Amino acid sequence: QTVVTQEPSFSVSPGGTVTLTCGLSSGSVSTTNSPSWYQQTPGQAPRTVIYNTNTRSSGVPDRFSGFILGNKAALTITGARADDESDYYCLLYMGGGIWVFGGGTKLTVL
Amino acid sequence: EVQLLESGGSLVQPGGSLRLSCAASGFTFSNYAMTWARQAPGKGLEWVSGIIGSGGGTYYADSVKGRFTISRDNSRNTLYLQMNSLRAEDTALYYCAKGHVSYHYGMDVWGQGTTVTVSS
Repeated sequence: QTVVTQEPSFSVSPGGTVTLTCGLSSGSVSTTNSPSWYQQTPGQAPRTVIYNTNTRSSGVPDRFSGFILGNKAALTITGARADDESDYYCLLYMGGGIWVFGGGTKLTVL
Repeated sequence: EVQLLESGGSLVQPGGSLRLSCAASGFTFSNYAMTWARQAPGKGLEWVSGIIGSGGGTYYADSVKGRFTISRDNSRNTLYLQMNSLRAEDTALYYCAKGHVSYHYGMDVWGQGTTVTVSS
């Protein structure tokens, strides 16, 4: 069974830039997987950040961008702010109507 | 404004059944794919099931296939998840999420969730 992989944790300085990635245990991620990214702070419901590889969800600032980086999906946050500190989950379409979440990346801003 | 309100979560014994509902408002419900996802305590998100706008296509994670059934009533703007043969590992906060017109774009807006606890 294919596993969706993410960095367990990442740290960025305020104002800095960070790139989170989302890969497959077997194979490469492409636009066919329609990568999407979700932000979740403790005790809150997830919020959609990026869908269909690189489309920002309504209200998401352009500091967030999604793209394919080599054989992975990537989410870059520029000008990191304290309120960007969250868990970030990627979601990949596997075909046949099936989606799989990655294990999530805990982003710390300090 | 898009709103999703989940209900139906509760404490249930192993082997029991439960039906979750998600009342939707603020958009043309029948035009959009819908999804159920869950999050076990202290764990990450898990995609559970999806359904296209017409209800003609339904999809399940292997972990719930054959036990859970997703459905929708477009006349009532409501999404359902019928859960049978519940196990301890089904204990989670269950989220309803609005998709996009295309099923292949993932989730858009999320509800606040309803809690399911499977325990004797």
